Amino acid sequence: NAGVTQTPKFQVLKTGQSMTLQCAQDMNHNSMYWYRQDPGMGLRLIYYSASEGTTDKGEVPNGYNVSRLNKREFSLRLESAAPSQTSGYFCASSGGIGAQHFGDGTRLSIL
Amino acid sequence: GIQVEQSPPDLILQEGANSTLRCNFSDSVNNLQWFHQNPWGQLINLFYIPSGTKQNGRLSATTVATERYSLLYISSSQTTDSGVYFCAVEADYKLSFGAGTTVTVRA
Repeated sequence: NAGVTQTPKFQVLKTGQSMTLQCAQDMNHNSMYWYRQDPGMGLRLIYYSASEGTTDKGEVPNGYNVSRLNKREFSLRLESAAPSQTSGYFCASSGGIGAQHFGDGTRLSIL
Repeated sequence: GIQVEQSPPDLILQEGANSTLRCNFSDSVNNLQWFHQNPWGQLINLFYIPSGTKQNGRLSATTVATERYSLLYISSSQTTDSGVYFCAVEADYKLSFGAGTTVTVRA
């Protein structure tokens, strides 16, 4: 019962480096999401994909790109990492109107 | 966007105590979820509760959608209940989170 799997769990980057965070779900959900969580705050939506083949911007999309590779996988890419992108990143999935289920998160530090 | 306010921001409990967390939201929503973020950072789904009342063990939740609020009840608290509790509301397939209530349960 894997649910939503994110890789890696931790990563340290230098400013300007690029990185792709991977997310996969095995619940046959149509919708997938990427959030960031900064200290002392709730999660904020970066991008989402309502169905395979579609992606849309959320509240804080600047500096990120996403790819919905297939129904199972939704990746988040930082093309040129900046210290302001140091954060916790969470992927989630849902079957449309229904509960969202979250992965365990990725802790990303950018020096 | 929808504003989500949670109160109190911090709560310290003695083991065995009961407590109520509140979530107010600014507009009509399709659904509402409560999450617990444990000390390891994992987000655990507690309730999916667009309206009405649900119970799961020592936890229960009530959402009054017409008045735009939800309550999470913790009864007979245990140290494992410590962590941050988030309320999140959904409109247009997107969740908006509150800032959370940090709960510390002392033995």
